[in-house]
Amino acid sequence: GEDVEQSLFLSVREGDSSVINCTYTDSSSTYLYWYKQEPGAGLQLLTYIFSNMDMKQDQRLTVLLNKKDKHLSLRIADTQTGDSAIYFCAERANTGFQKLVFGTGTRLLVSP
Amino acid sequence: NAGVTQTPKFRVLKTGQSMTLLCAQDMNHEYMYWYRQDPGMGLRLIHYSVGEGTTAKGEVPDGYNVSRLKKQNFLLGLESAAPSQTSVYFCASSRMGQGASGANVLTFGAGSRLTVL
Repeated sequence: GEDVEQSLFLSVREGDSSVINCTYTDSSSTYLYWYKQEPGAGLQLLTYIFSNMDMKQDQRLTVLLNKKDKHLSLRIADTQTGDSAIYFCAERANTGFQKLVFGTGTRLLVSP
Repeated sequence: NAGVTQTPKFRVLKTGQSMTLLCAQDMNHEYMYWYRQDPGMGLRLIHYSVGEGTTAKGEVPDGYNVSRLKKQNFLLGLESAAPSQTSVYFCASSRMGQGASGANVLTFGAGSRLTVL
């Protein structure tokens, strides 16, 4: 079955880079996603990557995908206090309903 | 565009009471979902719907029922609330369907916090 794992917590200083890691189990996943949840709000899509890509860059965000190791990472350059949030990794299953399976979320705390 | 709207935002229930959470989307999305979010467990899919009049079970459906009588609305019901159902509930919708190519991007509501005493 599908399973997505993330570390629960990451703390960085403002201006540093943040790297949030994720591992998944379904090697046939077609898309992998990063969602952001700010306090008291729903999840918002940050970015996604198709499984035949190994990198995607979008302004301060860089997504790296290692299919061999089933490892996904999100790098945030020049991290700001406004980036403090919970970040969820998700994979799109390639069987049945092709539902999204979410990780537990990584809480990013950015200190001044 | 409002996107996905959930009501109510907060609710406190006593064990055994019933209630319905309402989700409405104005994006003409085919697919709708109910998730629950619990600390350290991420989001777990309760039920989903692939179109008006159809519903299906997700990972954790026990104790919940759903209905999709209109395309834009997806209702989540608790017939007899239990303390284990204390959680934050999120509704989401998406355009993409099974087997479709392209990313299946979900749009989420702001959440409904339910406490069962």
